[in-house]
Amino acid sequence: DGGITQSPKYLFRKEGQNVTLSCEQNLNHDAMYWYRQDPGQGLRLIYYSQIVNDFQKGDIAEGYSVSREKKESFPLTVTSAQKNPTAFYLCASRGYRGTFYEQYFGPGTRLTVT
Amino acid sequence: RKEVEQDPGPFNVPEGATVAFNCTYSNSASQSFFWYRQDCRKEPKLLMSVYSSGNEDGRFTAQLNRASQYISLLIRDSKLSDSATYLCAAPGGGTNFGNEKLTFGTGTRLTIIP
Repeated sequence: DGGITQSPKYLFRKEGQNVTLSCEQNLNHDAMYWYRQDPGQGLRLIYYSQIVNDFQKGDIAEGYSVSREKKESFPLTVTSAQKNPTAFYLCASRGYRGTFYEQYFGPGTRLTVT
Repeated sequence: RKEVEQDPGPFNVPEGATVAFNCTYSNSASQSFFWYRQDCRKEPKLLMSVYSSGNEDGRFTAQLNRASQYISLLIRDSKLSDSATYLCAAPGGGTNFGNEKLTFGTGTRLTIIP
């Protein structure tokens, strides 16, 4: 059963703590992405990686870090430097289908920081 | 001008009616576009991809107007289960012919009324 998994579904943390969100895919996709979604603001790109051991900042990378040591895995760390970390975090991967590439999303992790 | 813009709605439409909404994009070099469906508190799911003038899948039709730089999504014979938020996406960030990054609209909320 191929797909993208994210864990946990819900995560609660105290302010000042770093937290790592997991994203795994078994679709053999090269590119993976992290987005953040806030009410009324749509999806905003945090980081993306097109190949193992390489990643680029997206539009809102400050306060976040990533690693890409394996093709299947692209964990996101929300650091204490991120001012407003409470959000819905979505991981995606990109695969070639027919004519062009398409992005598919995992189920997301809802992070609440108090 | 935002890279991708959508009318946020809400669109409240009676069951069985036809509904259409548009999405404008700013990058004239974009080659492919996408419509995603997002249910409340869930991840976006790819609904349709648009590469040329249009694409049709059952009750759903996506059309591309390159001259005016917009894509549209038409839903015929709407069902209660069509109620969701519909996000459009276009390649974003410079010369992005490989869809390495997508820019998403903020979404259009659709409610089908019995």
